Amino acid sequence: DAGVIQSPRHEVTEMGQEVTLRCKPISGHNSLFWYRQTMMRGLELLIYFNNNVPIDDSGMPEDRFSAKMPNASFSTLKIQPSEPRDSAVYFCASSLVAANTEAFFGQGTRLTVV
Amino acid sequence: AQSVSQHNHHVILSEAASLELGCNYSYGGTVNLFWYVQYPGQHLQLLLKYFSGDPLVKGIKGFEAEFIKSKFSFNLRKPSVQWSDTAEYFCAVNARGNTGKLIFGQGTTLQVKP
Repeated sequence: DAGVIQSPRHEVTEMGQEVTLRCKPISGHNSLFWYRQTMMRGLELLIYFNNNVPIDDSGMPEDRFSAKMPNASFSTLKIQPSEPRDSAVYFCASSLVAANTEAFFGQGTRLTVV
Repeated sequence: AQSVSQHNHHVILSEAASLELGCNYSYGGTVNLFWYVQYPGQHLQLLLKYFSGDPLVKGIKGFEAEFIKSKFSFNLRKPSVQWSDTAEYFCAVNARGNTGKLIFGQGTTLQVKP
């Protein structure tokens, strides 16, 4: 398996633009997590899905952030409109909850909003 | 609510020194525990995990961790660090049996001087 695949790896955008981050989890995994990593706040859980259903989105910073998981093999995290303070590395991770296995992380998307 | 606390934010050691990184969690039920490592510019990778059984867990690259239930702790240890261990280390916990919400500590940056 290729692991968790995120795209793009790097994104530079102007303030006010819409940004969409993409994630393909490991095949067969039933949980998917979106994390944001910054120097100031560390690794924050934004939202996680179980069987494509959002379970906890309490970490989503505000309404500008939204996430979807239309099927078991794809998820998006959208920021609209983007702001400079959204600049961070966004990680997607997936796991198989029933087997009590660990979460596997993608390479991350480094987002810079100028 | 689950939470994870890592005692040290930044640790500097010389090669061959022994390492112990502290991790405490807050959760009243049964948990799964993890240590992840993030090398500079890379994604998070699993070092070791504890689900049940022997509370002393051995991971990759000579790392081990001990789960002490009475202290809600899962400290990471390595008898002799190498320069290549320079990285950021994250402790994480999820509550067993739920939908797999995985919460991370704030991370500890380890710098090993050659």
